[in-house]
Amino acid sequence: EVQLVESGGGLVQPGRSLKLSCLASGFTFSNYGMNWIRQAPGKGLEWVASISSSSSYIYYADTVKGRFTISRDNAKNTLYLQMTSLRSEDTALYYCAMGVSYWGQGVMVTVSS
Amino acid sequence: DVVMTQTPPSLSVAIGQSVSISCKSSQSLVYSDGKTYLHWLLQSPGRSPKRLIYQVSNLGSGVPDRFSGTGSQKDFTLKISRVEAEDLGVYYCAQTTHFPYTFGAGTKLELK
Repeated sequence: EVQLVESGGGLVQPGRSLKLSCLASGFTFSNYGMNWIRQAPGKGLEWVASISSSSSYIYYADTVKGRFTISRDNAKNTLYLQMTSLRSEDTALYYCAMGVSYWGQGVMVTVSS
Repeated sequence: DVVMTQTPPSLSVAIGQSVSISCKSSQSLVYSDGKTYLHWLLQSPGRSPKRLIYQVSNLGSGVPDRFSGTGSQKDFTLKISRVEAEDLGVYYCAQTTHFPYTFGAGTKLELK
């Protein structure tokens, strides 16, 4: 059974940093591209970033480019999202997803003073 | 960016009724490999999104065959035959043909 478990969320002040993790199990993690997708409270889905299976290809939404970094450690079956210079508009539930096929439960990030 | 226009924004249905949701993209979703990466997701209240249909018309694992997807190029439809209570929630179309990946605004399916 595919499982994706996010962690690392919380309350952070504007301008600060936070790093999210996503532990994958139930499939061969190193074979699949992975995504971070977020959902602001009461809003729809917004794609944030993607990374290919071997980290050769990385893409970001314009709204986070230059501030967020997606990475992965295939030996640890873990996906990461390093978030810097956080803004109030980054407040959202952040999902780790394998394509759009499988989703984690999400981790909440709240940016507020 | 590819804009996904999803209609209607909400639907009020009775159990057993059939409904359709439309999703139109601002450009063709056919990828260079010939496949069309248009998917349908359901987000039940308080839950993570779940993929129902992938590549226009392929039913996801464990998804009832009351769900069906059709369409091509820029025009797609999700049909739910004989709605059940467990089908309530917000439906999203999503395209993963072009970066940035984009989603429709959602269709909220409610009980009449």
